[in-house]
Amino acid sequence: NAGVTQTPKFRVLKTGQSMTLLCAQDMNHEYMYWYRQDPGMGLRLIHYSVGEGTTAKGEVPDGYNVSRLKKQNFLLGLESAAPSQTSVYFCASSSFGDRVTDTQYFGPGTRLTVL
Amino acid sequence: RKEVEQDPGPFNVPEGATVAFNCTYSNSASQSFFWYRQDCRKEPKLLMSVYSSGNEDGRFTAQLNRASQYISLLIRDSKLSDSATYLCVVNPHMLTFGGGTRLMVKP
Repeated sequence: NAGVTQTPKFRVLKTGQSMTLLCAQDMNHEYMYWYRQDPGMGLRLIHYSVGEGTTAKGEVPDGYNVSRLKKQNFLLGLESAAPSQTSVYFCASSSFGDRVTDTQYFGPGTRLTVL
Repeated sequence: RKEVEQDPGPFNVPEGATVAFNCTYSNSASQSFFWYRQDCRKEPKLLMSVYSSGNEDGRFTAQLNRASQYISLLIRDSKLSDSATYLCVVNPHMLTFGGGTRLMVKP
């Protein structure tokens, strides 16, 4: 049971390049999330998904796209990377509809630098 | 105003000390509350949920004050291994994270 995994762990991009971050979970969770974490800003929600085939915008969705073609995978895409997207990206998942506990399980993060 | 606000610290305390963090939230409709712990360059992990009546887990005690819209975390008998950043998390609809409070426990 690996929990939540993220690929890649590190990446350096040039401005304008594109890339896809992959998140995978083996806990059969319905909900999946992408966050970015910047110094002093806490975690900010980029996009989330409440089930296979569904996605929704979070707090800071501009410049990102997502897809959830399979329940266990949640992809985050940057079509044209900008230096402002330099950040640590965390994926998380949680079980369906449990607002009382809503424990989120996080992946180890992807450190992205855009030059 | 941020939805969830925390003193970023750092709080520097000696081993064995008691330390408390507060966190304020702006959305009075918030239904659930948590403390997460994040070690340096690692992912956040759930430390404990915060219940209306307050709850304790070993050396950790969490309290909720709905009237004043804040939650607190008390750590007794601090250990070196408690050094981390503690994230206050509030859920009015989606989890909203505070910026974190950094704790450094010194020998």
